[in-house]
Amino acid sequence: DQQVKQNSPSLSVQEGRISILNCDYTNSMFDYFLWYKKYPAEGPTFLISISSIKDKNEDGRFTVFLNKSAKHLSLHIVPSQPGDSAVYFCAASDNTGNQFYFGTGTSLTVIP
Amino acid sequence: GAGVSQSPSNKVTEKGKDVELRCDPISGHTALYWYRQSLGQGLEFLIYFQGNSAPDKSGLPSDRFSAERTGGSVSTLTIQRTQQEDSAVYLCASSPLGQGMGEQFFGPGTRLTVL
Repeated sequence: DQQVKQNSPSLSVQEGRISILNCDYTNSMFDYFLWYKKYPAEGPTFLISISSIKDKNEDGRFTVFLNKSAKHLSLHIVPSQPGDSAVYFCAASDNTGNQFYFGTGTSLTVIP
Repeated sequence: GAGVSQSPSNKVTEKGKDVELRCDPISGHTALYWYRQSLGQGLEFLIYFQGNSAPDKSGLPSDRFSAERTGGSVSTLTIQRTQQEDSAVYLCASSPLGQGMGEQFFGPGTRLTVL
């Protein structure tokens, strides 16, 4: 049973435009969310996180939005750059932090 | 500084053989996680260590899978009597925070192929 879902397996965006990656979750006990970026043949690297006490967290070109009522979060990348091309995973955990649930990933391609 | 390392990077084995995968976390990181990523799937949680103990083993797919961590550092994931469905990339991650919160630092993974 997939508790964290990324329904778009792929996304293509023109360089300089906004990339929006979406993530939905089912467990209302989740209160901590992270986005990871993964290049081929490498392990995922941490990008940005948000806790449930906030609805927005911004770090440079990356902003994560959390809508708790909809159990939905999104990652915005503005402006998108070719080096952003990678697979993006969202992850969630409850307040124990013992287990992280990952989505299936969205492959982003930024076209120069 | 040194990141999380995993060995071997690639492992090809025959069905029915045992394999052992190794993870060296970042020094001082108390939390350690094992995941696997099968083709077309997301990251599947396997097991979590806090120090040397594993409070949550619920993700291990079967009793053929076991893991241990010694000295609060190196961890090994053992798969006995491997099956073809065990073929996947096995990823290890460590985290500096005691409760396992915060970002995890991932190793490059071990690609396991069971023939």
